[in-house]
Amino acid sequence: AQSVAQPEDQVNVAEGNPLTVKCTYSVSGNPYLFWYVQYPNRGLQFLLKYITGDNLVKGSYGFEAEFNKSQTSFHLKKPSALVSDSALYFCAVRDRNNAGNMLTFGGGTRLMVKP
Amino acid sequence: GAVVSQHPSWVICKSGTSVKIECRSLDFQATTMFWYRQFPKQSLMLMATSNEGSKATYEQGVEKDKFLINHASLTLSTLTVTSAHPEDSSFYICSATTTGTPEGPQHFGDGTRLSIL
Repeated sequence: AQSVAQPEDQVNVAEGNPLTVKCTYSVSGNPYLFWYVQYPNRGLQFLLKYITGDNLVKGSYGFEAEFNKSQTSFHLKKPSALVSDSALYFCAVRDRNNAGNMLTFGGGTRLMVKP
Repeated sequence: GAVVSQHPSWVICKSGTSVKIECRSLDFQATTMFWYRQFPKQSLMLMATSNEGSKATYEQGVEKDKFLINHASLTLSTLTVTSAHPEDSSFYICSATTTGTPEGPQHFGDGTRLSIL
């Protein structure tokens, strides 16, 4: 079984400050990890993924995430937040051995960036 | 990039009506499509997994006679909410992927907001 936890329902940050959105996961094997962003009344947009290799992954819109195997974490980060980054963020995991390609999502974290 | 089109984006209809939602992969062949339901301020709940040419696999607690899924081609899957009632009001989102590429992300449609009066 695979699961994802996003411990914060909401993260508040001032524009220009760094942001972190936390994610921890649990899989039986090695994971594929993803971050998605959702704007109001829209579907999910892919931000970045970790497959293998370098633990620091860079994605769209200046976001990056760091894979930490020992802590089973994949926190999303951005050095300088923008008001337009305000949205709902979802972390997701897929077990490498999952032939069905099914993703398991965390509960989501609402990011509020204030001017 | 891979594009998934979902239609309609918003539906308002009377109780008892059946509503069909379409999910199309515009520039790739989607061997697998997923249907999700999302309640306000909540995460996505997987309803079913649909593989082209075969019957959908429904998650526990999802009524297959209520939510009919058809995936007749590699670019189109449909979800029909039969005899919809107010409790079926929700945001429905589809996603698509190509089986055999587990490292690839799912590509999501923009969702359909269904409101049953």
